[in-house]
Amino acid sequence: GAGVSQSPRYKVTKRGQDVALRCDPISGHVSLYWYRQALGQGPEFLTYFNYEAQQDKSGLPNDRFSAERPEGSISTLTIQRTEQRDSAMYRCASSLVLAGQETQYFGPGTRLLVL
Amino acid sequence: AQSVTQLDSHVSVSEGTPVLLRCNYSSSYSPSLFWYVQHPNKGLQLLLKYTSAATLVKGINGFEAEFKKSETSFHLTKPSAHMSDAAEYFCVVSDPGTYKYIFGTGTRLKVLA
Repeated sequence: GAGVSQSPRYKVTKRGQDVALRCDPISGHVSLYWYRQALGQGPEFLTYFNYEAQQDKSGLPNDRFSAERPEGSISTLTIQRTEQRDSAMYRCASSLVLAGQETQYFGPGTRLLVL
Repeated sequence: AQSVTQLDSHVSVSEGTPVLLRCNYSSSYSPSLFWYVQHPNKGLQLLLKYTSAATLVKGINGFEAEFKKSETSFHLTKPSAHMSDAAEYFCVVSDPGTYKYIFGTGTRLKVLA
């Protein structure tokens, strides 16, 4: 596609439910990143993939958060047993080559609200 | 450790007047520095980036930024603001060979008619 796409754009869920957020990177991009952005803050790194391999998940806040990219393209970020503190904008980015100094291109984000 | 400080959370300018959005960074190395802009309901769009080439970097839509190592600054400027520049702007630092972007907290630019 022309850019990084994310779905859904908005998600409202009840506390305790699981949610899955999808990211479709720019075609051919090798690296994919997930960030979380709280209100009034800049995005913070969650995790990163090269192809299908999750290279770094140090930013995932706890074991309720997981991510996968099984075929090296589309990625899913899953939050189990959601809590109100999980409410945030979740952003996905991709870059053309293996991560280093390459520019990351961001999607529009998924705004998650946990009631 | 890397960090970024955007000194102003909100900036208001009149249309046609200069824009200055301030950013200071901390890095142990020669970092890459970026400015991204976010318009409502849109993704983060890259304005410009510095990667150890020319210290004055020109970006899209008439924006530019100057890397000043002695001041650890990377301020974003534009000579004449346009209404369409109203958005939130993020300064980002990334150490060489790494993939983590460290974002500032953002500066919301308001352009007055």
